[in-house]
Amino acid sequence: GAVVSQHPSRVICKSGTSVKIECRSLDFQATTMFWYRQFPKQSLMLMATSNEGSKATYEQGVEKDKFLINHASLTLSTLTVTSAHPEDSSFYICSARDSGRDVTGELFFGEGSRLTVL
Amino acid sequence: AQSVAQPEDQVNVAEGNPLTVKCTYSVSGNPYLFWYVQYPNRGLQFLLKYITGDNLVKGSYGFEAEFNKSQTSFHLKKPSALVSDSALYFCAVREVDSSYKLIFGSGTRLLVRP
Repeated sequence: GAVVSQHPSRVICKSGTSVKIECRSLDFQATTMFWYRQFPKQSLMLMATSNEGSKATYEQGVEKDKFLINHASLTLSTLTVTSAHPEDSSFYICSARDSGRDVTGELFFGEGSRLTVL
Repeated sequence: AQSVAQPEDQVNVAEGNPLTVKCTYSVSGNPYLFWYVQYPNRGLQFLLKYITGDNLVKGSYGFEAEFNKSQTSFHLKKPSALVSDSALYFCAVREVDSSYKLIFGSGTRLLVRP
């Protein structure tokens, strides 16, 4: 089955620093990946759509300069939380679409990255 | 705008009993509907999807879901619950002609007691 690897699974950083989270599709190519944020006991909020070779598309209310997304290859997208603050602490989850499958295909999700900003 | 609603924050059921987790949707066109499950501090696992065809969709781990167009519902069901089914369940929707992004419901926590 399609596997999405997300790294790191947990990260603790100091306020003001930047943190990079990687999302890799291990056995398929993904021209499109999605980044979600999940608050405790809440649903997933779509942050942005990451497109290989082009700029990400951000959802309304998401700061593009705060959450930098790079999708440099067909198997890797990165989310960088810049100048992190405690309110950025959250569970970040990426998902990917298998470009080789039909258009009805489901998304495959990474295991998530828990960010704690001190 | 497309959306899904999961009216129950939590569903409690005894092991061995049937379970239902409710989901209703709102889209302007034909929907693609999905169910995912999330275990603590983990990503989401795909359970099943409805695209077209039979209204009863069978998925992983013995789960199934019934698509009802007139009631705009896509309830998740299982004939006999297991304690290991206890988790957070999300219903999701995307429109056929939209991007591939999914819009998730608020989630329903399923608790199966022994």
